[in-house]
Amino acid sequence: AQSVTQLGSHVSVSEGALVLLRCNYSSSVPPYLFWYVQYPNQGLQLLLKYTSAATLVKGINGFEAEFKKSETSFHLTKPSAHMSDAAEYFCAVSAPGGTSYGKLTFGQGTILTVHP
Amino acid sequence: DSGVTQTPKHLITATGQRVTLRCSPRSGDLSVYWYQQSLDQGLQFLIQYYNGEERAKGNILERFSAQQFPDLHSELNLSSLELGDSALYFCASSLLGQGKGEQFFGPGTRLTVL
Repeated sequence: AQSVTQLGSHVSVSEGALVLLRCNYSSSVPPYLFWYVQYPNQGLQLLLKYTSAATLVKGINGFEAEFKKSETSFHLTKPSAHMSDAAEYFCAVSAPGGTSYGKLTFGQGTILTVHP
Repeated sequence: DSGVTQTPKHLITATGQRVTLRCSPRSGDLSVYWYQQSLDQGLQFLIQYYNGEERAKGNILERFSAQQFPDLHSELNLSSLELGDSALYFCASSLLGQGKGEQFFGPGTRLTVL
């Protein structure tokens, strides 16, 4: 079984500051990991994904994440926050093979607020 | 726009009623997933279909059922509705329904049970 823990339900940064959203996972098999973003009243949009290739993954809108197996982490970062980054971010895990197929297990989400 | 469409956008109904939520996947995608998003439970996987067949089941109540039709659209049926069923229901689709494939999410159907 897989699970995801996102540390911090709310993160607040100033515009131009570093964004760091934390995600730790638990999985009995090597996982696939995803970050999704949800803007108000919209569906989820994929930011980036790790599928066992490069451990540093670059995504859209300047975001990147690093898969660290030893720390079971997949933290999301962006060097310089923009006002348009304000949204809710979800870390998710799925497992290859077995009976879980493409099922995503999500963390509880982190709401990012960006101050001018 | 993800290419996944969901109807209706909003649904308001009473306890004990039955509703049907509809999802059309992206063109070419064979797999459809249903998720429920609520304040207390977060985002939870309900069920997955692949090319018309049920592939995986999550925390789906017995009062809920789903199916995927030959044209690959899917419907989620919720019956004997309770107040606690009020939530945002998302449909997502992917090409093959495997773990590493990107899932494209629709805009959701907001269900309010009064």
